[in-house]
Amino acid sequence: ETAVFQTPNYHVTQVGNEVSFNCKQTLGHDTMYWYKQDSKKLLKIMFSYNNKQLIVNETVPRRFSPQSSDKAHLNLRIKSVEPEDSAVYLCASSYGGGNTGQLYFGEGSKLTVL
Amino acid sequence: QEKVQQSPESLIVPEGAMVSLNCSFSDSASQSIWWYQQHPGKGPKALISIFSNGNKKEGRLTVYLNRASLHVSLHIKDSQPSDSAVYLCAVSINNRIFFGDGTQLVVKP
Repeated sequence: ETAVFQTPNYHVTQVGNEVSFNCKQTLGHDTMYWYKQDSKKLLKIMFSYNNKQLIVNETVPRRFSPQSSDKAHLNLRIKSVEPEDSAVYLCASSYGGGNTGQLYFGEGSKLTVL
Repeated sequence: QEKVQQSPESLIVPEGAMVSLNCSFSDSASQSIWWYQQHPGKGPKALISIFSNGNKKEGRLTVYLNRASLHVSLHIKDSQPSDSAVYLCAVSINNRIFFGDGTQLVVKP
């Protein structure tokens, strides 16, 4: 049963355009994440928010920026997309940061940059 | 940065076979270790976790952890075609969760 909702599910765009992905969780969790999954299924953490505060900001290009209005929402904006940004972007949530290890994922937003 | 490596990269087994998946990690201070299952077009779903040395069984799944050798394994008994998916090992340490690159499992009817 999905409780982490991502939109859009797919997006095709040209190099240089701006893209936004939205994520909402209805689990009452206090931490939300954005992961990037490449074609080989490798998951890399991009950002993590705990109660609207950024707690992890891995080394990602500056064209990526997370935005959180409250602890149930975490959006991801990409300014001026590049071909290497083609991937699946997965939103996740959890209780109490990363120590528990259990994440609840959305179904992903697949980005194709032409 | 924690390194998480999984093997094999892919696996094809007949229905009913026992499946064994392996995961090694680099930091003995890691906290919990989770296994996730990911079907095509879906997000990963948490299956089973372990924290202490030893084993843990849930239904057809058994996970073994050996902290001394920095190794964890997942065993699936009586595999079913619906078990066909990518299996991801995840290690949590210092409020961060690191994933391996997965094992693609195919269970043939």
